[in-house]
Amino acid sequence: GAVVSQHPSWVICKSGTSVKIECRSLDFQATTMFWYRQFPKQSLMLMATSNEGSKATYEQGVEKDKFLINHASLTLSTLTVTSAHPEDSSFYICSARFGRNTEAFFGQGTRLTVV
Amino acid sequence: AQKITQTQPGMFVQEKEAVTLDCTYDTSDPSYGLFWYKQPSSGEMIFLIYQGSYDQQNATEGRYSLNFQKARKSANLVISASQLGDSAMYFCAMREGGTGFQKLVFGTGTRLLVSP
Repeated sequence: GAVVSQHPSWVICKSGTSVKIECRSLDFQATTMFWYRQFPKQSLMLMATSNEGSKATYEQGVEKDKFLINHASLTLSTLTVTSAHPEDSSFYICSARFGRNTEAFFGQGTRLTVV
Repeated sequence: AQKITQTQPGMFVQEKEAVTLDCTYDTSDPSYGLFWYKQPSSGEMIFLIYQGSYDQQNATEGRYSLNFQKARKSANLVISASQLGDSAMYFCAMREGGTGFQKLVFGTGTRLLVSP
């Protein structure tokens, strides 16, 4: 399958700082990328969908000013957690797909701990 | 709105035995896809198997097969000849085929433990 690389795999940051997570499709052009959040022992919850060159579409209840998503190119999307707080500590995982009705491939995930 | 239900929080199976993980879904879209993913403790999502709503036959991928019962809206995963390495979380997911983003929505997951 296609490769999606997510970086960093884990990060610890101080409360109040911002953290950027990158999601790259290595061997295909990702027209759409999805960002998920997963709390311990829970399911993946979709945060937002981003299409290259346009603004991300956020799910209900997700603060767009706190979770900034940029999909500037067909191979890179970034999620920036702004002014992070301990309650933002979670596992964040992205997925990317080439086009409609195609399989979405997942990154390895990023474990964020805010102290 | 689409919905995925996994009613088994945890399942135990002995090595080399078969196990069925349940998944039911609800959608009004006639075109949809059903997926199963495995998530080991490392967190990565490993794609296992896919079933399209118009597929006539049940999907199979090695030791994985999907028992697709469209009328019952169920898409159970069958793992044959379980191995210790199969111990992980398993998620059922659905993607609707409409004009929207075709989001992948996940169930709550089933933790499978394979014992020697």
